[in-house]
Amino acid sequence: GQQLNQSPQSMFIQEGEDVSMNCTSSSIFNTWLWYKQDPGEGPVLLIALYKAGELTSNGRLTAQFGITRKDSFLNISASIPSDVGIYFCAGMGNTGTASKLTFGTGTRLQVTL
Amino acid sequence: DAEITQSPRHKITETGRQVTLACHQTWNHNNMFWYRQDLGHGLRLIHYSYGVHDTNKGEVSDGYSVSRSNTEDLPLTLESAASSQTSVYFCASSKDRGHGYTFGSGTRLTVV
Repeated sequence: GQQLNQSPQSMFIQEGEDVSMNCTSSSIFNTWLWYKQDPGEGPVLLIALYKAGELTSNGRLTAQFGITRKDSFLNISASIPSDVGIYFCAGMGNTGTASKLTFGTGTRLQVTL
Repeated sequence: DAEITQSPRHKITETGRQVTLACHQTWNHNNMFWYRQDLGHGLRLIHYSYGVHDTNKGEVSDGYSVSRSNTEDLPLTLESAASSQTSVYFCASSKDRGHGYTFGSGTRLTVV
């Protein structure tokens, strides 16, 4: 099956710092999504990317759809305590069995004051 | 407001028992999915449905079944619960195949 490698697995940063995480795939995707999961809750969609090279922002979050369509990046600027959680990348192909989301293993973000 | 709800939020069951987890969405979405989440594995797809009476196996479907008799519900059944099925289960739905999923809050299942 498709594999998504997400890095880093965990991060400890200070409030106010910028954060970068990325996701790489063994297959080409047509859609990349980034989710955030708070403790005890389901993942919530942060950003959706639909075109190679696309750069999209949502407040302090910026995500990019890699040119090769095999990777994506998420940046968080000026982190705050409520950014704590697990961030998942997810990719989707175009047809048949590939038209479902495949998730990365997550990046756990901890923010210290 | 439209929503997707899972029940129960927590369940403890014994090995060998049949268990059904409920998922109900009021988004009127055609597509519904069940995932399990385990440490080190992220979210793995169990079963999914693209519409009423449609069901498909995901990557970890052994020991699980689903049925889709209406648009709103996709119950997940563990035929004979095993300790390896202790996990957090998430239901999700989407409007169409190109869109992101909306997730429920999860069911934490413990098999003892």
